[in-house]
Parts: sequence; structure tokens; C-alpha cells
Amino acid sequence: DADVTQTPRNRITKTGKRIMLECSQTKGHDRMYWYRQDPGLGLRLIYYSFDVKDINKGEISDGYSVSRQAQAKFSLSLESAIPNQTALYFCATGTPERGEQYFGPGTRLTVT
Amino acid sequence: DAKTTQPPSMDCAEGRAANLPCNHSTISGNEYVYWYRQIHSQGPQYIIHGLKNNETNEMASLIITEDRKSSTLILPHATLRDTAVYYCIVRGRSNDYKLSFGAGTTVTVRA
Repeated sequence: DADVTQTPRNRITKTGKRIMLECSQTKGHDRMYWYRQDPGLGLRLIYYSFDVKDINKGEISDGYSVSRQAQAKFSLSLESAIPNQTALYFCATGTPERGEQYFGPGTRLTVT
Repeated sequence: DAKTTQPPSMDCAEGRAANLPCNHSTISGNEYVYWYRQIHSQGPQYIIHGLKNNETNEMASLIITEDRKSSTLILPHATLRDTAVYYCIVRGRSNDYKLSFGAGTTVTVRA
């Protein structure tokens, strides 16, 4: 089984709809992250969480919110989706000791 | 974190070593060099990281110059499955939330 799972893997939604992307991890890491990737570009950090009670905005948090339900679960919500939020979204986990991050398979979101 | 410069693309023959360069001339003493790769639209995959010494694991080797201003990722025997975008990232361990992906190097392994 994958260490980091994301659901759904693909989603098409309409402008103005609320949508939630979910991420679960079995690596036992405290730190979790949400990134988005636009075609031909690198990843940009949306939100990150160092533990259940510590959530921080990344470089592009406007229009997004997150919830850390447990150590293993970190959800990303788009309160009112807009077309320019069409992108590939990745969840990741990590530890400060080693510094690397482990990524999920991604969710391809299309907002029409 | 220091900025990195990588060539936009490179080709490699299957079975041969692939040497991927990265310049990071403004790296500071406490910053590490990390390498990740992303196979088409999949989640990025951690490859290796290092501070000063050369490092090797089951995936690759990392050679860091003595002045630490550049490094080379070596894939010893490239396979078609190594075709991916490779990212060189410099960051301090205390800033581990900041994983800044640039454009990377698109590596195409040809049969």
C-alpha cells in the first residue's frame, strides 16, 4: 500500500462549488504539506502543518483552507472553486530529522 | 535558500551513466543539496541529499564540489524508467517546509 494516498485522483467541478481534497499517510510523520502544480511549472506550497495544532500558510494560500483532522490526515478545501484553480494538487509528508518529503500520487482538479 | 541553475534538458542513452549538473553558487554553509525527480504527472520522488561529502544510495550518487558551488547527480545505469524531470534544491534543514521547485532538467533516456 502507498505511504501517502490522495482522494479523489481526478475531479471535475463547476465554478463556485466547494470541494475537498483528502490526504492520508501511514509514515507516521508529523509534518504534512499541500502543493499545487500548473502545467510546465514547478510546485508551489499552499499550506503546511507541523503537527495537528500547527497549521501555516504557504506562498499561495488565498482561496484555500485546510484541516488537520489527525496526525495522518490533512485535507485541502476550495471554498468556492474558480477556473484558475485548475491544477494538479499534491500532498506530502516529512520529518525535520531527515529533511526529505514524500509525495502522494496527486489529484487532478478541473474547474469549469 | 540559495537559487539553483540546471540545464533545461538532456538526453541519455539507456544503460549509460547520466550526469546531471546543478549550480548553486550562493549556497551557505548550513544548506543542503537535495535532488528530487518527477515522472510525468506523478508525485515528486526524493532521490538523495548531501551537505559536503559525496553521497550514494540505491538510486544515485551525489558529487558536491569542494567549494560547494555546484553538484552533479549521477544515475549510474540509466533506464527508460528514469525519464523524468529532475529537480536540484538547496535549503537549510531548519527550513524544511520550504521545498522550492524550479523548472528542473528534463531527462530523456533513449533506447
